[in-house]
Amino acid sequence: NAGVTQTPKFQVLKTGQSMTLQCAQDMNHNSMYWYRQDPGMGLRLIYYSASEGTTDKGEVPNGYNVSRLNKREFSLRLESAAPSQTSVYFCASSDPDYPRNTEAFFGQGTRLTVV
Amino acid sequence: GNSVTQMEGPVTLSEEAFLTINCTYTATGYPSLFWYVQYPGEGLQLLLKATKADDKGSNKGFEATYRKETTSFHLEKGSVQVSDSAVYFCALIDGSGGYNKLIFGAGTRLAVHP
Repeated sequence: NAGVTQTPKFQVLKTGQSMTLQCAQDMNHNSMYWYRQDPGMGLRLIYYSASEGTTDKGEVPNGYNVSRLNKREFSLRLESAAPSQTSVYFCASSDPDYPRNTEAFFGQGTRLTVV
Repeated sequence: GNSVTQMEGPVTLSEEAFLTINCTYTATGYPSLFWYVQYPGEGLQLLLKATKADDKGSNKGFEATYRKETTSFHLEKGSVQVSDSAVYFCALIDGSGGYNKLIFGAGTRLAVHP
């Protein structure tokens, strides 16, 4: 009963380093999302993928890249980390086949600190 | 574009008090509306939803009614418990661009004291 699995749970990076956040879901969902959560700002959409092979920018895509490797996996890459990217990152997935009833399922989050 | 506005927190209540967290939205048409809850150290999970005007979503003693006249979806609970302490997010489905995606409000932190 895994749902959405994110790795790692915690990460500290130095400015300029790169890293990839991994996300996998086992619910056969078409849509997957990456959000960042910052105090007082709620969740902001970084990128989303409506289906395997497609990705689209969300509200705050600058400094990030994504890959929808297959239907299960959606990774988020920081090419050159900056302190402004210190945040908690959440991956989510949903099934858009019934759009008016779409429920998103979230991973546990990755707490990233860039020093 | 579509957006969600929530009342700022934190909201601090005593156990058994009445809770209201306000949420209003701006959207084209009548999107589905949701309340998500985030307990400390966890991801978000769906609390309740409403898919059309005048629908009432309910779960775990929480309720919210989809009001198209006032474009609102306020969350209420008659008697809160310490275990309800969490951050609550109002959200809607944005179908623009051909894809469905969730748009969240900023979140409202609730702290319930014994």
